[in-house]
Amino acid sequence: GENVEQHPSTLSVQEGDSAVIKCTYSDSASNYFPWYKQELGKRPQLIIDIRSNVGEKKDQRIAVTLNKTAKHFSLHITETQPEDSAVYFCAASIQGTSYGKLTFGQGTILTVHP
Amino acid sequence: GAVVSQHPSWVICKSGTSVKIECRSLDFQATTMFWYRQFPKQSLMLMATSNEGSKATYEQGVEKDKFLINHASLTLSTLTVTSAHPEDSSFYICSARGGAYNEKLFFGSGTQLSVL
Repeated sequence: GENVEQHPSTLSVQEGDSAVIKCTYSDSASNYFPWYKQELGKRPQLIIDIRSNVGEKKDQRIAVTLNKTAKHFSLHITETQPEDSAVYFCAASIQGTSYGKLTFGQGTILTVHP
Repeated sequence: GAVVSQHPSWVICKSGTSVKIECRSLDFQATTMFWYRQFPKQSLMLMATSNEGSKATYEQGVEKDKFLINHASLTLSTLTVTSAHPEDSSFYICSARGGAYNEKLFFGSGTQLSVL
C-alpha cells in the first residue's frame, strides 16, 4: 500500500519567515495530495490540495509543489504568523479507487515565534 | 466547505462497557465515511472505510468485532467500541466524502475516549 513520509517532525521559525514541509510518497498511482492543519484537540482542516496533473498551486501565503517523477510534494508557507502554529499533515490518495482513502504523513509541529 | 458533525466530543467510560460514536454529514450525502484513530502527537491512522449500505472494510490489524461500524444511511455512520479497555483510550475522528464533495475529505470534530 501507499507509504507517506513527512519531514521535518518539528519546525520552529520566527514570525515573518517562510516554512517548508516536505513529503514523499511510494505509490506512483497516487494522484491527489491534500494538506491539513490540525490545532490541538481539533479536527484537521483542509488548507490546500493539488492533483497530479498540476505542478504547483498557490493560495495567498500557502503554496504546494509536486514533483511526480521524484514522488515528492512540499508545502510552503510565507510570511508566517503565530496563528500558523499547528500540526500539519500531508496525505496522498488515488482518486477513483479504494474509495479514495487517504494515507497521512507523520505530521509536522510548526511553531511560529512572535 | 462541507460540514461533518461528530458526537460525542468526549466520553469517559468504565472498562468493559461499550461506547457509540456518531458521525453525520449535515449538508451532503456521504457515500463514503472513514474512521481514524489518533494518539497524542501522532498521525491519523485509518481504521476502516464505510460505505452506505455495505459492510465496512477494515485496515489490517483492526479488530472487526471490537470496532463495529455501521453506515445505515447516506448521512450517518456509527463506530461502536465494544467492551472498551484502557488501551482503547484515544482520539477517534471520522471523515466523509460524497456528492458535490466527492473529491475532498472533510473531518468531524473528533471524540476523545477515556476508558477507566
